[in-house]
Amino acid sequence: IAGITQAPTSQILAAGRRMTLRCTQDMRHNAMYWYRQDLGLGLRLIHYSNTAGTTGKGEVPDGYSVSRANTDDFPLTLASAVPSQTSVYFCASSEGTANEQFFGPGTRLTVL
Amino acid sequence: GQNIDQPTEMTATEGAIVQINCTYQTSGFNGLFWYQQHAGEAPTFLSYNVLDGLEEKGRFSSFLSRSKGYSYLLLKELQMKDSASYLCAVRDGDYKLSFGAGTTVTVRA
Repeated sequence: IAGITQAPTSQILAAGRRMTLRCTQDMRHNAMYWYRQDLGLGLRLIHYSNTAGTTGKGEVPDGYSVSRANTDDFPLTLASAVPSQTSVYFCASSEGTANEQFFGPGTRLTVL
Repeated sequence: GQNIDQPTEMTATEGAIVQINCTYQTSGFNGLFWYQQHAGEAPTFLSYNVLDGLEEKGRFSSFLSRSKGYSYLLLKELQMKDSASYLCAVRDGDYKLSFGAGTTVTVRA
C-alpha cells in the first residue's frame, strides 16, 4: 500500500520556468490538499479539493494552480516560478473534510 | 486568519515527561490535531480533540479546553526516537486546517 506519493522528490528550477508537482493517492480519499512548509512559518495551505471536480483556494494561493480531474491525482502547477516559492511542498489527503489528513513524503523545490 | 502559538523548542531527558502547550484563536472550531514530524519527513497524525478533556493514546496524551483556546500534548517516558517537531493544528469553521509553526523537542540521554 503506497498511500500518497509525490514526484519529484526534489527539484532545482530556474526562475520563470513552469513546474508541475505531482501527487497521487491510492486510498480513495475524497479530499486532497497542498501545503508549503517554510522554516519558522509552519505548514500553510495553498489549495484544496473537497472532492473530484472541485478545488478551492487556501491561505497562500497566488502563483499556484491545481486541478482535480479524478479522485487519485491532484497536481500543483507553478506557472512561472519565483525564488519566494522555494519551499518544501506536501500533499495530503483525507477521507472527508472531517477526518485526519495523511501526508505525502514531500517535494523540496528550489527556485534560483 | 488563524493565530496558533506554540513554543519553538523544548529539551528533555530520556525517560522524563514533556508538555507542549498550544494556544489558538480561530474563526470557528471543528477540532484540534497534533502531528509529529521527524526531520526531513512528512507529518504523521498523533491525536485529535474536539471536546474538552484528555485523550490518552499510549505514551501520548492530548488535552483541550475550548473556552480557553488551549491544548497541550503530553509525552511520557520519553525515548530518543521522540526527538521531532510537534505540530498543533486547528480545524476552523470551514474545515480547513491551520498549523502552528511547530515545537522542536530534543531528547537527551
